[in-house]
Amino acid sequence: DTEVTQTPKHLVMGMTNKKSLKCEQHMGHRAMYWYKQKAKKPPELMFVYSYEKLSINESVPSRFSPECPNSSLLNLHLHALQPEDSALYLCASSQEPPSGGITDTQYFGPGTRLTVL
Amino acid sequence: AQSVTQPDIHITVSEGASLELRCNYSYGATPYLFWYVQSPGQGLQLLLKYFSGDTLVQGIKGFEAEFKRSQSSFNLRKPSVHWSDAAEYFCAVVTMDSSYKLIFGSGTRLLVRP
Repeated sequence: DTEVTQTPKHLVMGMTNKKSLKCEQHMGHRAMYWYKQKAKKPPELMFVYSYEKLSINESVPSRFSPECPNSSLLNLHLHALQPEDSALYLCASSQEPPSGGITDTQYFGPGTRLTVL
Repeated sequence: AQSVTQPDIHITVSEGASLELRCNYSYGATPYLFWYVQSPGQGLQLLLKYFSGDTLVQGIKGFEAEFKRSQSSFNLRKPSVHWSDAAEYFCAVVTMDSSYKLIFGSGTRLLVRP
């Protein structure tokens, strides 16, 4: 089973709201990722968690706050977002974190379609 | 820095025809390369990957890709396209700096004529 689940599927929020995106995998993977994908563009990496610790932050604005409560769960907390943050947010996981000589396949969830009004 | 280029923004083929989607990479050594497919509004599904070894890689859904070092290419092929293959296709490479991140090409949208 190579399933990554994401909730909710769709989210509409105002600029003053606080909301969270959730990602879950039960494959025993030790790395989890958040990507942002704007319309007609490729996914762009936001964060990487390795063994439940944040290992990469691609200079993402602080209005996006990731959290990894345990090895199966990854959250993305959203606060004071801007309309330009509207996008498809994808979660992925891999067996091991990326490192030299070893590159595990990343498995993606279906995404959360976020609209900021 | 490593990168991939997908020169074709759109490709239209007739159902049953063969398909080749182009991907060119920039990296001096052997890169780690992937092809992913994304249906509208959906996440990404891995079609196939190349790390080393046999340069012809078989994937799911009847897709294959061939790694050609001399041409810095990793083109995706399918002998007979089905209407359900209509989607966005992304080639991706792993950066070999300290982050080993997955970097995607700009994508090729495949349209299938009945």
